Amino acid sequence: SAVISQKPSRDICQRGTSLTIQCQVDSQVTMMFWYRQQPGQSLTLIATANQGSEATYESGFVIDKFPISRPNLTFSTLTVSNMSPEDSSIYLCSVAENSNQPQHFGDGTRLSIL
Amino acid sequence: GENVEQHPSTLSVQEGDSAVIKCTYSDSASNYFPWYKQELGKRPQLIIDIRSNVGEKKDQRIAVTLNKTAKHFSLHITETQPEDSAVYFCAPEEVRGKLQFGAGTQVVVTP
Repeated sequence: SAVISQKPSRDICQRGTSLTIQCQVDSQVTMMFWYRQQPGQSLTLIATANQGSEATYESGFVIDKFPISRPNLTFSTLTVSNMSPEDSSIYLCSVAENSNQPQHFGDGTRLSIL
Repeated sequence: GENVEQHPSTLSVQEGDSAVIKCTYSDSASNYFPWYKQELGKRPQLIIDIRSNVGEKKDQRIAVTLNKTAKHFSLHITETQPEDSAVYFCAPEEVRGKLQFGAGTQVVVTP
């Protein structure tokens, strides 16, 4: 399966600031997704990153808070904007070659907001 | 959207025994049913999946069974080992690759 690199692996940020998380894949993939996993919880889908167009957000997530870029078939970024302690979580990207193929995850970004 | 229920939430088994986790879903249009294993501090890893045209799939000590009529699928782990200790998530597919994750099952295998 594809090798997925996610950066940074962790960060500690001040409230009110923003952080951009990168997801790089070593092969072209059709599907890229961003998830949030709060401590001890399950994974919640934030959005589907669409190449060349605006991301598709799930209920409860908005573009102003979580802007996403997908400039090509191997790269995506998620920005967590105007952070508050409630945004402390693990953020994971996942990829699939296409919608009929299994989804694989990056190692995640552990984000703490002070 | 898809409603997913996963049971049990915790499962403690003796090494060598079997473990079974059940996942029920609501969307009859779902056609893809994966299971992920997540060890502490690690990424979720796909361990087995099944599509709706198949009733059972096996990979060494792991198997998945699907009952599409009843809208549930189950993960079976036989001859459990300490390294099977992890959180397991079912994640039936909604539409266009979107997965809806269950709440997870903490499996503890005691030697």
